[in-house]
Amino acid sequence: QQPVQSPQAVILREGEDAVINCSSSKALYSVHWYRQKHGEAPVFLMILLKGGEQKGHEKISASFNEKKQQSSLYLTASQLSYSGTYFCGTVGNTGKLIFGQGTTLQVKP
Amino acid sequence: SAVISQKPSRDICQRGTSLTIQCQVDSQVTMMFWYRQQPGQSLTLIATANQGSEATYESGFVIDKFPISRPNLTFSTLTVSNMSPEDSSIYLCSVFLPQETQYFGPGTRLLVL
Repeated sequence: QQPVQSPQAVILREGEDAVINCSSSKALYSVHWYRQKHGEAPVFLMILLKGGEQKGHEKISASFNEKKQQSSLYLTASQLSYSGTYFCGTVGNTGKLIFGQGTTLQVKP
Repeated sequence: SAVISQKPSRDICQRGTSLTIQCQVDSQVTMMFWYRQQPGQSLTLIATANQGSEATYESGFVIDKFPISRPNLTFSTLTVSNMSPEDSSIYLCSVFLPQETQYFGPGTRLLVL
């Protein structure tokens, strides 16, 4: 079942912060975050496994609440290069990576 | 990580024809997947292709329309058969690396006229 992302779209100024949420109605083993720029393939950002961990990647970090079946991606002090569409992908007991509908992020100067 | 290449990178085809997309990985992988991304949409899983077994198709996708081959651990093909304009999409090959994540190929951009 497809996870639900919110918001659908975000417009920021450089230096502002953003949070993208991903929730599932099914139990999850892992959550994967990708960023896709127009005309390109999705690029892997990070993976979060069962255990409620939080990970960081430069100014991009994420959390995973296993009990709530939710994950959030945090973008701090956004840069122009952060623009793109962010997808969360969830893996449940089927072992298949299923993607949310995506969140479009636009960072303006 | 894994390096994945796809051929062709793009194509324009006439309705009623078929196109075979090739996916090559730089290492041996057990699990390979094919996704479709329609314009402005998310990625939708078409099928899982494991070497030595028949591909497993997701709801809404059938073997007659999207036959898949997986002859070895580094290669797979997806054929889009009897194409219609609704098949215009990006088709992406993906591999799963245990203890890591899924990596995606660059995609094949298909336009059906």
